Amino acid sequence: GAVVSQHPSRVICKSGTSVKIECRSLDFQATTMFWYRQFPKQSLMLMATSNEGSKATYEQGVEKDKFLINHASLTLSTLTVTSAHPEDSSFYICSARKHGRASDTQYFGPGTRLTVL
Amino acid sequence: QQQVKQSPQSLIVQKGGISIINCAYENTAFDYFPWYQQFPGKGPALLIAIRPDVSEKKEGRFTISFNKSAKQFSLHIMDSQPGDSATYFCAPRMDSSYKLIFGSGTRLLVRP
Repeated sequence: GAVVSQHPSRVICKSGTSVKIECRSLDFQATTMFWYRQFPKQSLMLMATSNEGSKATYEQGVEKDKFLINHASLTLSTLTVTSAHPEDSSFYICSARKHGRASDTQYFGPGTRLTVL
Repeated sequence: QQQVKQSPQSLIVQKGGISIINCAYENTAFDYFPWYQQFPGKGPALLIAIRPDVSEKKEGRFTISFNKSAKQFSLHIMDSQPGDSATYFCAPRMDSSYKLIFGSGTRLLVRP
């Protein structure tokens, strides 16, 4: 099967600091990676779409200067939450779509729990 | 604009019973209809999915029924087990962008 990892699994930081979350496809190349945010007992909300070698596409209402996304290779995308505040505390989840012929399936990472104090 | 409506919000089923979760959508640009299962503190995992040219797909205890004219699809879990207790999301995919649009989720509890 296709495996997607995230690092770190949980992070606690002080308000005003920046936090970087990594998303890796371990056994396949990902044409596209997606970043989601999930608040407790709520659904997943798509934040942005990340394509290797190009700028990310952000969903309406998501601040691109606050949530910096870099997709430097076909196996790695990073999300940096800049100047984090308590309201940014959430569960961040990435997913990856396989490179190659049109692939139906997105494979999700295990998520990163961010707590901003 | 709410593109995907999922129901019920929560569901309690006895072990061995049938769990049914429904999803209604508005956007005709969806071309792939998956259901995801999520356990607390974990990422979602693909459970089963269907393409719109098929009306039903069965994989083990899990079945998707798809009604294109009504713009609805449902997940049926037969012989529900306590280990099926989780949150289930429908997440139809946009054909042009491959984006998944998640429903609001259904929290399923299967009682022993």
